[in-house]
Amino acid sequence: AQTVTQSQPEMSVQEAETVTLSCTYDTSESDYYLFWYKQPPSRQMILVIRQEAYKQQNATENRFSVNFQKAAKSFSLKISDSQLGDAAMYFCAYRRLDNYGQNFVFGPGTRLSVLP
Amino acid sequence: ETGVTQSPTHLIKTRGQQVTLRCSSQSGHNTVSWYQQALGQGPQFIFQYYREEENGRGNFPPRFSGLQFPNYSSELNVNALELDDSALYLCASSASTGGNNEQFFGPGTRLTVL
Repeated sequence: AQTVTQSQPEMSVQEAETVTLSCTYDTSESDYYLFWYKQPPSRQMILVIRQEAYKQQNATENRFSVNFQKAAKSFSLKISDSQLGDAAMYFCAYRRLDNYGQNFVFGPGTRLSVLP
Repeated sequence: ETGVTQSPTHLIKTRGQQVTLRCSSQSGHNTVSWYQQALGQGPQFIFQYYREEENGRGNFPPRFSGLQFPNYSSELNVNALELDDSALYLCASSASTGGNNEQFFGPGTRLTVL
């Protein structure tokens, strides 16, 4: 079974600075998807960024980028120019290619605080 | 375009009771997944419905059951409630079952079991 680990329960960053959230995962499959989701106090999960395992190029979405190291099974999220609105729980998630069975496997989350 | 909605927002039940949670999928989506998120943890996959049939299940006992209707809305039913069932229940819809289809999450139902 696949597992996702986030070793940082809490992180903080100064507004306008850069922060990196860590994620490692375990799988025997060669093709899959990886995601970062944000969950603000409103509870609604919001997709931040997605990476296909077969793509070597790291995904980027505006201020958000990932460092995907397939051999190391590592998928970290970098947030540049942090804003107060970035404060939330961040979840790393793994998803099978065929989406049958376990669907998403989420990590335990990292709580990000942004300091003014 | 209406997003994923869930009802009720909050619910309080006592141990042994039964509960039904509801989810309306986003327009054009035929796949609905349910997740349980205990306090301070990541969501755990309960099951998925595709075109009114269960299409994948996580490690949850049979007292967790579901339905999907012809309009693709869905219900999650939990029988014989236990204290550990207290959690946020999230529903997510997608255009199909393939892993490349983005899932859109609802705001969740907070269930408290006393």
